[in-house]
Amino acid sequence: KAGVTQTPRYLIKTRGQQVTLSCSPISGHRSVSWYQQTPGQGLQFLFEYFSETQRNKGNFPGRFSGRQFSNSRSEMNVSTLELGDSALYLCASKIGTADEQYFGPGTRLTVT
Amino acid sequence: AQKVTQAQTEISVVEKEDVTLDCVYETRDTTYYLFWYKQPPSGELVFLIRRNSFDEQNEISGRYSWNFQKSTSSFNFTITASQVVDSAVYFCALSEAPTGRRALTFGSGTRLQVQP
Repeated sequence: KAGVTQTPRYLIKTRGQQVTLSCSPISGHRSVSWYQQTPGQGLQFLFEYFSETQRNKGNFPGRFSGRQFSNSRSEMNVSTLELGDSALYLCASKIGTADEQYFGPGTRLTVT
Repeated sequence: AQKVTQAQTEISVVEKEDVTLDCVYETRDTTYYLFWYKQPPSGELVFLIRRNSFDEQNEISGRYSWNFQKSTSSFNFTITASQVVDSAVYFCALSEAPTGRRALTFGSGTRLQVQP
């Protein structure tokens, strides 16, 4: 069974631009969560989607948004990029509510 | 609020040594889950173990073992006879079980370097 895939793997953007990252969960997994990893703040939860509905949200500004499609694939969008948004963005999927999450390889975003 | 503390920022050992990674957590809930993940240089977080708050039995999986003690709010991870391939950053994480609060709260990670 294929693991969680994320595209693109690397991205370079300029301040003020917007970016969309994509995540395809493991087949059969309906929950997709997004995390941001930076050297300073560590791993922080962004949001979780389940059956196309946002079920949980972390403490991030409204510039960070996401959505989930009927096939469970998810996208996250960051508008008006700031230098501090440079990070590894990790997507994770799981089958149900209390299960372990399986992570993708991440998208490394660099904002210049 | 929940919190996970991994006080050891970096540990360096020589191959075949045993090493224990510490994890201390804080939560107000009586039902919760604890996890360990490994992050090799490639960046992908690899799931190692999940433990729920009602199961205090220690677990062993090959060279890996975990010691869960609710009395001290700790969930420590031991690698026996470490190998170079164990070099990675290890994260302990906590998830509260009640509805709406299932996000993982991660510790800051412990970087393990195993020298040949």
